[in-house]
Amino acid sequence: GNSVTQMEGPVTLSEEAFLTINCTYTATGYPSLFWYVQYPGEGLQLLLKATKADDKGSNKGFEATYRKETTSFHLEKGSVQVSDSAVYFCALYNQGGKLIFGQGTELSVKP
Amino acid sequence: DTAVSQTPKYLVTQMGNDKSIKCEQNLGHDTMYWYKQDSKKFLKIMFSYNNKELIINETVPNRFSPKSPDKAHLNLHINSLELGDSAVYFCASSQELTGVYNTEAFFGQGTRLTVV
Repeated sequence: GNSVTQMEGPVTLSEEAFLTINCTYTATGYPSLFWYVQYPGEGLQLLLKATKADDKGSNKGFEATYRKETTSFHLEKGSVQVSDSAVYFCALYNQGGKLIFGQGTELSVKP
Repeated sequence: DTAVSQTPKYLVTQMGNDKSIKCEQNLGHDTMYWYKQDSKKFLKIMFSYNNKELIINETVPNRFSPKSPDKAHLNLHINSLELGDSAVYFCASSQELTGVYNTEAFFGQGTRLTVV
């Protein structure tokens, strides 16, 4: 079946630190991969996406590269800010018509 | 202009009651979803409708019944509420394109349901 596994949180970093949130997936076929972000008290919003192998999605300083050989889509940011504190979800979308989420990783950035 | 709106935002009710959550989207999308987010933030899809037709119906108690009067609305009715139903329920919508699997889903702000 299809599934997404993320590193467990919470992740606590100091401002300007480097961020990596690991995400691996299991899927049949060639899914599209996404990172969604959920700020406190809000719904999810798309952060970035990649639709095929070696694609790199990027937005707001965040990046993730679709690695088919390692079935991974790790999220990175070179210098986090307090305003990046949120829950981050890795997700895949495949021909079954389902958007399947990982368990979410809570990020807390301290000044 | 809210793209996906849910009402109510908060809902506190007693066990055994019946309640509904409403969702509307003004994006012109043809697919809508209900997700349940538990206290650990885990998101699980419950239902998906495409043009008012039920597409995905995960293993959800039949106390939960979605209803889509038109493609812009997807409501969730819950009968005989139980303590374990306490969660945040998110509505979402997307525009499904045949053969295209990179479509973005837009989420509402969520309805926090507390059953006491």
